[in-house]
Amino acid sequence: NAGVTQTPKFQVLKTGQSMTLQCAQDMNHNSMYWYRQDPGMGLRLIYYSASEGTTDKGEVPNGYNVSRLNKREFSLRLESAAPSQTSVYFCASSGRESFYNSPLHFGNGTRLTVT
Amino acid sequence: AQTVTQSQPEMSVQEAETVTLSCTYDTSESNYYLFWYKQPPSRQMILVIRQEAYKQQNATENRFSVNFQKAAKSFSLKISDSQLGDTAMYFCAFMKPSGGGADGLTFGKGTHLIIQP
Repeated sequence: NAGVTQTPKFQVLKTGQSMTLQCAQDMNHNSMYWYRQDPGMGLRLIYYSASEGTTDKGEVPNGYNVSRLNKREFSLRLESAAPSQTSVYFCASSGRESFYNSPLHFGNGTRLTVT
Repeated sequence: AQTVTQSQPEMSVQEAETVTLSCTYDTSESNYYLFWYKQPPSRQMILVIRQEAYKQQNATENRFSVNFQKAAKSFSLKISDSQLGDTAMYFCAFMKPSGGGADGLTFGKGTHLIIQP
């Protein structure tokens, strides 16, 4: 089972460039999330999607947009990258049927550097 | 909103020692879930242990155990017989019982645990 797949693993952008981080899960989960991880800050929720067709802001949504393309895929877009968006980004998913075993299934992260 | 506080940014112990990582949280909920995640240098997020607030018995998983004090809103992780492979970031996390959607995990800032040979 692939679980949660994120692409790319690494990315370097110049200030002002745009890019989309891709995420797909094969566990038929309803909920999907994007977190960012910064040193000394833990993981902070950017956006989440409780079900296909819905998205909502988390704690730190500014500078990002998301799309829940279908039940499997949840993408994160940076329209105009800024150095403050240098971070490690994690996609995660959850489903109530798997909750007891693992509340969130994480991808392996994308390390993004904005210069 | 819930908050999770980990007051130890970094800890270092010798191999085979026992170490305790602290976590406190703030919530008005009466039922909820608490978790400890391990993040080794590979960046993978690994669930270590979970505790359901309505269960009085402290959870254990092999060398990992928790001390859950509901009234004090404290959820510490004890690692016994520590091993070099335990070197990692450890995150405490809180989840409301409804799970998913807006009630995704709220994380603490993490504790970097270093096991010295």
